[in-house]
Amino acid sequence: GAGVSQSPSNKVTEKGKDVELRCDPISGHTALYWYRQRLGQGLEFLIYFQGNSAPDKSGLPSDRFSAERTGESVSTLTIQRTQQEDSAVYLCASSLVWTEYGYTFGSGTRLTVV
Amino acid sequence: DQQVKQNSPSLSVQEGRISILNCDYTNSMFDYFLWYKKYPAEGPTFLISISSIKDKNEDGRFTVFLNKSAKHLSLHIVPSQPGDSAVYFCAATRRVITDKLIFGTGTRLQVFP
Repeated sequence: GAGVSQSPSNKVTEKGKDVELRCDPISGHTALYWYRQRLGQGLEFLIYFQGNSAPDKSGLPSDRFSAERTGESVSTLTIQRTQQEDSAVYLCASSLVWTEYGYTFGSGTRLTVV
Repeated sequence: DQQVKQNSPSLSVQEGRISILNCDYTNSMFDYFLWYKKYPAEGPTFLISISSIKDKNEDGRFTVFLNKSAKHLSLHIVPSQPGDSAVYFCAATRRVITDKLIFGTGTRLQVFP
């Protein structure tokens, strides 16, 4: 596609439920990243996929968080047993191996845990 | 440990004047720096970048300055326009080993008429 697409754009879920967030990167982009932005805070790195290499999961805050990527296409971020502190905007980005322009971000999924 | 810091959460500037946004980093191994702009309900968009081998990069109204000895970079916007009102994030990486960007906490710029 022309840009990075994320769905849903908004998600309200009850505490304790599982949620799945989806990211469609730009076609041909080998790298895919997940970040989150909690209210009033900066962009927090979560996980990074690069081609067939093992993903860099160093930013995942707990074992309730996991992410998968199928080849060089769609990625899903799963949060199990959601907590109120998981409420944030979850941003996905993709890039070629490297460009001087960094990444292209999607518009994000706003997750609210009630 | 916050490796990239933007100590000013907000900045207000009159239209036509210069906006200066600052960013400090702690990791001397960072070798590439970027600025992103973010409007509400949108993802961040790339604005300008600079390699550690340079101390200045200019693109139209936007100039980024890098002071490696001080571990400090700044973004200058001249002249500022109302459409520049957004949150600005600086980011850094060590390109030789990763493409992962470390972002600062952002500075909200408001340009008023």
